[in-house]
Amino acid sequence: NAGVTQTPKFQVLKTGQSMTLQCAQDMNHEYMSWYRQDPGMGLRLIHYSVGAGITDQGEVPNGYNVSRSTTEDFPLRLLSAAPSQTSVYFCASSSRTGGFDQPQHFGDGTRLSIL
Amino acid sequence: GENVEQHPSTLSVQEGDSAVIKCTYSDSASNYFPWYKQELGKRPQLIIDIRSNVGEKKDQRIAVTLNKTAKHFSLHITETQPEDSAVYFCAASMGTNAGKSTFGDGTTLTVKP
Repeated sequence: NAGVTQTPKFQVLKTGQSMTLQCAQDMNHEYMSWYRQDPGMGLRLIHYSVGAGITDQGEVPNGYNVSRSTTEDFPLRLLSAAPSQTSVYFCASSSRTGGFDQPQHFGDGTRLSIL
Repeated sequence: GENVEQHPSTLSVQEGDSAVIKCTYSDSASNYFPWYKQELGKRPQLIIDIRSNVGEKKDQRIAVTLNKTAKHFSLHITETQPEDSAVYFCAASMGTNAGKSTFGDGTTLTVKP
């Protein structure tokens, strides 16, 4: 049971390049989310999904796209990288039981630098 | 939307002392309040959580209290140890929000030996 797997772990991009951050979970969780973590600012929600084929915007969605074609995978696409997108990106998955959210399980993160 | 404020941003204690971190939330519909610990360069990991139908929960040296009326919840760590040094995040979510959590900005706890 690998939990939440993110790839790559590190990436350096040039301004204007595009790329996809991969996230996969093997816990059959219906909910998946992407966060970015900047120094001193905690975790900010970029996009989230409540199930295959359903996604929605979080707090800071601009410049990012997501799709969810399967329960397991939730890739995050940077359309045209900007230095302001330099951050650590975490993917998380969770479920819900009895009307309450369950704890989120986080991946190890992707450290992204935009030059 | 939900807003979560966390205080203090940094906390330094001597080994063996207690540490308390406080969070307030804005949306009375929030019903799930987890606390995550993040060590340097690592992923956030759940250490304890509480749901709105409970006022207090304890797990060994860690406890969380919830005051729904005042919309605040607190993390209490007793008998702190150097390995408790980390960044701690509180979060709030609603059962209807499908796993969408709002996080506080974090508290950097340093436990001095």
